[in-house]
Amino acid sequence: NAGVTQTPKFRVLKTGQSMTLLCAQDMNHEYMYWYRQDPGMGLRLIHYSVGEGTTAKGEVPDGYNVSRLKKQNFLLGLESAAPSQTSVYFCASRELAGGPTGELFFGEGSRLTVL
Amino acid sequence: GQNIDQPTEMTATEGAIVQINCTYQTSGFNGLFWYQQHAGEAPTFLSYNVLDGLEEKGRFSSFLSRSKGYSYLLLKELQMKDSASYLCAPMDSNYQLIWGAGTKLIIKP
Repeated sequence: NAGVTQTPKFRVLKTGQSMTLLCAQDMNHEYMYWYRQDPGMGLRLIHYSVGEGTTAKGEVPDGYNVSRLKKQNFLLGLESAAPSQTSVYFCASRELAGGPTGELFFGEGSRLTVL
Repeated sequence: GQNIDQPTEMTATEGAIVQINCTYQTSGFNGLFWYQQHAGEAPTFLSYNVLDGLEEKGRFSSFLSRSKGYSYLLLKELQMKDSASYLCAPMDSNYQLIWGAGTKLIIKP
């Protein structure tokens, strides 16, 4: 039972470099999310998807792009990394939007440092 | 605006009981989640409340008062492994979870 898998787990980038974080889930969930978590702050939603081929902006979308070409995968891209994007990134998925089955399942996190 | 308020840090003794409070203001309300997050790990689901009252699940219980915009997580018979951050997350009218910064719980022997 892999659940939600994120790759890579760790990455160090230089300012201006680009990279893509991959999230894969094997639970056939419709909804997928990318969050960032910074010290002293709650999880902040970057982008999300309500199904294959759809994406939407969250609370802090600037500097990030996403794609959901396949239902099981949700990619987060940084086109030109900035030190302010140093953070821990979590991918999450859920089966339905509401109710007790609205529980989010999280990946292990990807720790990104931008120098 | 949307706002979640939890204590930043709490300390308790092994074997004791602790209550972690959460007050919230959201645009609409579709239930409230509590998650546990150990340092360096991902959040994991603890409880979900949508109606007023207490939900009990083993050593953990969660309470909700919708009229007061208030919830608490009650942890009984504390164990060292309960040292973690506890995240309160109400769900707004768009079914998005709004996350508090979390309460870091330190358990002492």
